[in-house]
This record gives sequence, structure tokens and C-alpha cells, in this order.
Amino acid sequence: GIQVEQSPPDLILQEGANSTLRCNFSDSVNNLQWFHQNPWGQLINLFYIPSGTKQNGRLSATTVATERYSLLYISSSQTTDSGVYFCAVELSGGSNYKLTFGKGTLLTVNP
Amino acid sequence: GAGVSQTPSNKVTEKGKYVELRCDPISGHTALYWYRQSLGQGPEFLIYFQGTGAADDSGLPNDRFFAVRPEGSVSTLKIQRTERGDSAVYLCASSLNGGHSGNTIYFGEGSWLTVV
Repeated sequence: GIQVEQSPPDLILQEGANSTLRCNFSDSVNNLQWFHQNPWGQLINLFYIPSGTKQNGRLSATTVATERYSLLYISSSQTTDSGVYFCAVELSGGSNYKLTFGKGTLLTVNP
Repeated sequence: GAGVSQTPSNKVTEKGKYVELRCDPISGHTALYWYRQSLGQGPEFLIYFQGTGAADDSGLPNDRFFAVRPEGSVSTLKIQRTERGDSAVYLCASSLNGGHSGNTIYFGEGSWLTVV
């Protein structure tokens, strides 16, 4: 099956710092999404981004489908950004409903 | 409802017992998904419903696991003869239509199952 690798596995920041999270995937995908899992376990969809660039406030994401990677940028981080960030993909030509998740990046933002 | 609701939020059960986990999706969402998340891992797909039917149950780990959605709304995940390895967070999600592409998927807060 498709492999999804996220880096770094852990990241500790001071409030106000910027960060870049990376997601590499092993095959062509027709869907890529970024999620944030808060400390209470709730998964929140951040971006649907199979290709191109999107921005939402302090967050932005870029996917280069031909090179099989995606980046999530967090600027001016806040303590509420803490949690686990997951990248999830769907294989091209496969189902359009079965997401494969990476292991996530655990982000801790200290005040 | 406002979001995807899952009950119970926490369940501790003895090995060998039967467990039911309930999911109430967002009103009007035809697609419903169950995922399982173990400690330190990302969620893993279990089953997908489109309406009342299980369109894909290929992620269910074995025949002790079963899920239903009899009226196309609420779904129940049923686990028979629980084992310690079943301990995990069981996540339910829904989306307006079938398929993730372009559809925002909304997750519940999960049911934390511990088998002792």
C-alpha cells in the first residue's frame, strides 16, 4: 500500500516562531488533506490540497504532486497550535473515500 | 447536530466482553466512516458507509468486528470477544457526500476503548 512519511516526528517551538512540516508519499494521489488533532483527540480538517498552494490565516500548505510531497507552514505560532498534525492521502485510481494517514508530527508551542 | 457525536467517550471493558460504540453523524451527511487510532499512530480506515450500506468494510481487522447503519444515520460499531489488542481510540467521521475528494470530512472526538 501507499506509504506516508511525516517529518519531523516532534517539534518544540516558542510562541511566535514559524515552522514547516513535511509529508512525503510513495505513489500518485488524487487527494491529500492536512489535519490537526488537538490535545482532546479531535481531528480538524485544515486543508484539502491534492496540488497547488492554499492559505488560511497563519497556516498555508503546498503540495507538489509530481514530486510526491506536501508542506504545511505555520507562521507566528500560538500555544493553541499545539497538537498532532497529520497528513492523509488517497491513492490515485483507488477508492475516493479511504484515507491513509501518516504517523503525524507532534507540535508543542511553549508560551 | 452541530458535529459528529460519539458515545461512550470512554469505555473500559474486560477481555472477552462485547462492546458497542455509537456514532451520530452530522445531520444530512450520507457518508460515514469508522477509523481506529492506536497510541502514537495515525488513524487507520475500518469501514465506509454510503447511506445504509457498507460500501467498503475491508479495513475491519477480523470477524469479531461488525458495523451497522440501519437507517442511514446513526451507526454502531460492534466488537465481540474483545482482546487487549483492541484497545484504541475509535473515530467516526462523516461527509456530505460519498468520497473525500473535495468533501470536507468531519471527525468526532472518538471513543477511547480500553480492554483489561
